[in-house]
Amino acid sequence: AQSVTQPDIHITVSEGASLELRCNYSYGATPYLFWYVQSPGQGLQLLLKYFSGDTLVQGIKGFEAEFKRSQSSFNLRKPSVHWSDAAEYFCAVGAGSGNTPLVFGKGTRLSVIA
Amino acid sequence: GAVVSQHPSRVICKSGTSVKIECRSLDFQATTMFWYRQFPKQSLMLMATSNEGSKATYEQGVEKDKFLINHASLTLSTLTVTSAHPEDSSFYICSARGRQNTGELFFGEGSRLTVL
Repeated sequence: AQSVTQPDIHITVSEGASLELRCNYSYGATPYLFWYVQSPGQGLQLLLKYFSGDTLVQGIKGFEAEFKRSQSSFNLRKPSVHWSDAAEYFCAVGAGSGNTPLVFGKGTRLSVIA
Repeated sequence: GAVVSQHPSRVICKSGTSVKIECRSLDFQATTMFWYRQFPKQSLMLMATSNEGSKATYEQGVEKDKFLINHASLTLSTLTVTSAHPEDSSFYICSARGRQNTGELFFGEGSRLTVL
């Protein structure tokens, strides 16, 4: 069965520091991988996605993620965090076909301190 | 492009009443729509998958007679919570996938339901 694990429930970083959010997945076929961000009471915004090709993908707001098949990981990174990045981050996996939904991890809450 | 809109964004109702939430794809045709439910500080849990013109497919444990889903057109899906109870209070989020089938899901803004 497909699943997504985000090991870190809550991470606190200082503004300007680098960030890495971990994501591991279990999937039977070639995965489509996503990172979404959610601010309190809001819907989800897509940060970036990986379908195929270059394993390092760039997203919006200065985020990037690297797909590592050997480690079944798709970790999200940002070199310098801004206070506005404080939010909930969800990693998701899917097959990409019409009736296949995305399966989400439990999320990682990011707090940013001055 | 690829905008999904949900309405209402917030709704408060009395126990025993029914509430309808609309999900519209504004600039594309959504062949498949997914309804998720999110409890506070938790992840998104899939409730059901709907295809235009077909009956929705519900996930295990989701009562299809309580959560009525209609996907009557390629741009509109509705979720009706019937005879709502306080435990139905949650954040409901719809998502849609278009004909181009890029694998990506486009999400609505979510609807927060509070049942008193």
